[in-house]
Amino acid sequence: DAMVIQNPRYQVTQFGKPVTLSCSQTLNHNVMYWYQQKSSQAPKLLFHYYDKDFNNEADTPDNFQSRRPNTSFCFLDIRSPGLGDAAMYLCATSRDTGVGYTFGSGTRLTVV
Amino acid sequence: DQQVKQNSPSLSVQEGRISILNCDYTNSMFDYFLWYKKYPAEGPTFLISISSIKDKNEDGRFTVFLNKSAKHLSLHIVPSQPGDSAVYFCAAIDSGTYKYIFGTGTRLKV
Repeated sequence: DAMVIQNPRYQVTQFGKPVTLSCSQTLNHNVMYWYQQKSSQAPKLLFHYYDKDFNNEADTPDNFQSRRPNTSFCFLDIRSPGLGDAAMYLCATSRDTGVGYTFGSGTRLTVV
Repeated sequence: DQQVKQNSPSLSVQEGRISILNCDYTNSMFDYFLWYKKYPAEGPTFLISISSIKDKNEDGRFTVFLNKSAKHLSLHIVPSQPGDSAVYFCAAIDSGTYKYIFGTGTRLKV
């Protein structure tokens, strides 16, 4: 089945140690999104790629970076995780912006 | 102004019966809707979603119905199981900003 896969489901990282979260899709969708969701809060859009065009949200910290080497994969890099970065990170895709999102199951990041 | 409303803060259902959780919204710019499930001491996890071009989406025991004219969606769980006991959040995505708007949640007890 076509889907969005996030690996790993759970990630524990040390304070300040770079970490990379992975998202892959078999849908051939143009747009890939990364959201951060903290406990009891709404998911917050960090950035999205439309094909190779990167679109950063104005309030996304510089600590968060993203790479999209090809249509299928998108990575979220956290350069120096802080305790406040512990959250669920959701990847989503859509064929075009604002149309038909497909979500991955998320990666829960713990910072120790 | 609450754009996504879940008017029932809690719901109690017997095991094996149907659970119906309701959600109303006010903004016609919402074009994608999601249901999240939250256990105590954990973050919400994605359960099921529906695009505004559909009126029904089914995944195992979970079905979401969307009535665009009434700006209403509902989540049906059949049959309900004790492990379904959790808080369920309805969420909508604004097609202009891609940002989520969450309802306040409904606590389901099975």
